[in-house]
Amino acid sequence: SAVISQKPSRDICQRGTSLTIQCQVDSQVTMMFWYRQQPGQSLTLIATANQGSEATYESGFVIDKFPISRPNLTFSTLTVSNMSPEDSSIYLCSVEGGRFTDTQYFGPGTRLTVL
Amino acid sequence: AQSVTQLGSHVSVSEGALVLLRCNYSSSVPPYLFWYVQYPNQGLQLLLKYTTGATLVKGINGFEAEFKKSETSFHLTKPSAHMSDAAEYFCAVSPFGKGNKLVFGAGTILRVKS
Repeated sequence: SAVISQKPSRDICQRGTSLTIQCQVDSQVTMMFWYRQQPGQSLTLIATANQGSEATYESGFVIDKFPISRPNLTFSTLTVSNMSPEDSSIYLCSVEGGRFTDTQYFGPGTRLTVL
Repeated sequence: AQSVTQLGSHVSVSEGALVLLRCNYSSSVPPYLFWYVQYPNQGLQLLLKYTTGATLVKGINGFEAEFKKSETSFHLTKPSAHMSDAAEYFCAVSPFGKGNKLVFGAGTILRVKS
């Protein structure tokens, strides 16, 4: 299976600041996704990270709040901008494609607390 | 719109007993279906998946699930629960097949009693 890493694994941030989360895969993949898991809740897709073009955002999520980059087929970043306590969540990236067909594999997640 | 319903936010079983976690979905097209497990403070691990073919799929750790199109269900079972199975389980559907987003159920926390 894919080895997927995320940095940082956790962070505590002050409101009004921004945090960039990195997702790195050990081989090239077609698709990369970013999900949010709010405390005690299920996962919700934020956006699909498209290599070489702008990310595709789900309803309720906007680029100004969650800018995403995907410079190549193994790396993506998600920035949580102008944070508020409501942004406290686990943020997970997932990957699909390449040698990992038909299935999304998830990174370990980034646990974010906003004070 | 596609949706996933997991019946029971909490399920408690005794060690050695049958585990049954229920999942129903709605989808206008034949979906891909998944079960993931999340242990405390960890990411999601794939248990098993159904894409096409045999409707009874076997996964890791002795779990299996059966896709029943007529019932729009994909229930997860394990004949004998182990203490290490205690975790949160998520059913997910990919309505448009590979390369598309997953829609997750609310999750079921499984507790295993000794």
